[in-house]
Amino acid sequence: ETGVTQSPTHLIKTRGQQVTLRCSSQSGHNTVSWYQQALGQGPQFIFQYYREEENGRGNFPPRFSGLQFPNYSSELNVNALELDDSALYLCASSSGSRYEQFFGPGTRLTVL
Amino acid sequence: RKEVEQDPGPFNVPEGATVAFNCTYSNSASQSFFWYRQDCRKEPKLLMSVYSSGNEDGRFTAQLNRASQYISLLIRDSKLSDSATYLCVVNPGGGADGLTFGKGTHLIIQP
Repeated sequence: ETGVTQSPTHLIKTRGQQVTLRCSSQSGHNTVSWYQQALGQGPQFIFQYYREEENGRGNFPPRFSGLQFPNYSSELNVNALELDDSALYLCASSSGSRYEQFFGPGTRLTVL
Repeated sequence: RKEVEQDPGPFNVPEGATVAFNCTYSNSASQSFFWYRQDCRKEPKLLMSVYSSGNEDGRFTAQLNRASQYISLLIRDSKLSDSATYLCVVNPGGGADGLTFGKGTHLIIQP
């Protein structure tokens, strides 16, 4: 069984740029959730995708957007990067909204 | 009031001791509860789900008190490898709201 994978591992961008992060869900999982974890904090929910539709969203602005593909992999896009967007971005997959979520290793984004 | 509150620690505990963490949650309609473990600069890993009847997995025991809205984790015979941050996690509704995490409790097991 293949676990959740994310790419890239690390990324450095400058303020105002755009970034795309990628996630492949664990085999058999159809739901992907994205989280942002700032240093010293617990992960914060960004949004969730189920069957290619966004079906839940946390308190993040519209410049955070995403996609889910037919193979259940997902992308997180962030436009107009701000310094405060520097964080670890975690993707988690599950076999439905109500089930346990399993996390990928994360992408560490630094915005300069 | 924060949605999920935990004592950040650190808890410094000698190897072989028993240690207990609690957390409280604010949303009484919360549906499911978990403990995750996170090592430094790594992803959270599911330690165990928490059920109303309580559940045990080896040296780990989790309890849920819905009336008081708190969740506990007990670690017996602690090992050096148990050193990590333990995240209390709540699924507030039907799942599409995502998981709500506490800030974590930092545990250091000392030889």
